[in-house]
Amino acid sequence: KNQVEQSPQSLIILEGKNCTLQCNYTVSPFSNLRWYKQDTGRGPVSLTIMTFSENTKSNGRYTATLDADTKQSSLHITASQLSDSASYICVVTAERGANNLFFGTGTRLTVIP
Amino acid sequence: NAGVTQTPKFQVLKTGQSMTLQCAQDMNHNSMYWYRQDPGMGLRLIYYSASEGTTDKGEVPNGYNVSRLNKREFSLRLESAAPSQTSVYFCASSPQPHSPSTSYTFGSGTRLTVV
Repeated sequence: KNQVEQSPQSLIILEGKNCTLQCNYTVSPFSNLRWYKQDTGRGPVSLTIMTFSENTKSNGRYTATLDADTKQSSLHITASQLSDSASYICVVTAERGANNLFFGTGTRLTVIP
Repeated sequence: NAGVTQTPKFQVLKTGQSMTLQCAQDMNHNSMYWYRQDPGMGLRLIYYSASEGTTDKGEVPNGYNVSRLNKREFSLRLESAAPSQTSVYFCASSPQPHSPSTSYTFGSGTRLTVV
């Protein structure tokens, strides 16, 4: 069964600190993995997209890693800011199928001053 | 600003009432989608339209109907709302349908409560 699991469910960190969010998946055949940021009351916005051959991809203070062998990904946020408070959703795309996007339930990050 | 626009942003319905959620995109995308987001669950696909003139069921289509009015607009209709349809609804669009490398743009969502 194609599934995407994220951990932790929620996280509170102090402004300026780093954090890492985890994503494990069982989607097959794998095509790519995306991390989205969803601010409260808004739709998801893409942060990074990685294919099978990519191990790391950065977008400013966001760095995503992918281990296709263990089917794990992480999103590392450096020097967190209050504006990083949001839900972060891992989305895995399968190679085939009409409904080929599989969404994780997200990690709710709160950055406090 | 270019993007996906959803209306309304909030709606409260009584059980049995009907309503239509509107979605429009101005990026000339071929494909459009309707998702629902519930607490503790990932987004789930309700219906999608791969191109103008076509619509197909997603993972959770029961209780919903859709209309691809033209290339820009894709509406979602609840004919007889039920409390189980309380959710946040997101419309999305993409240049091509379901291509693994395609990019998706999401609207801001409609928060629907059925009492």
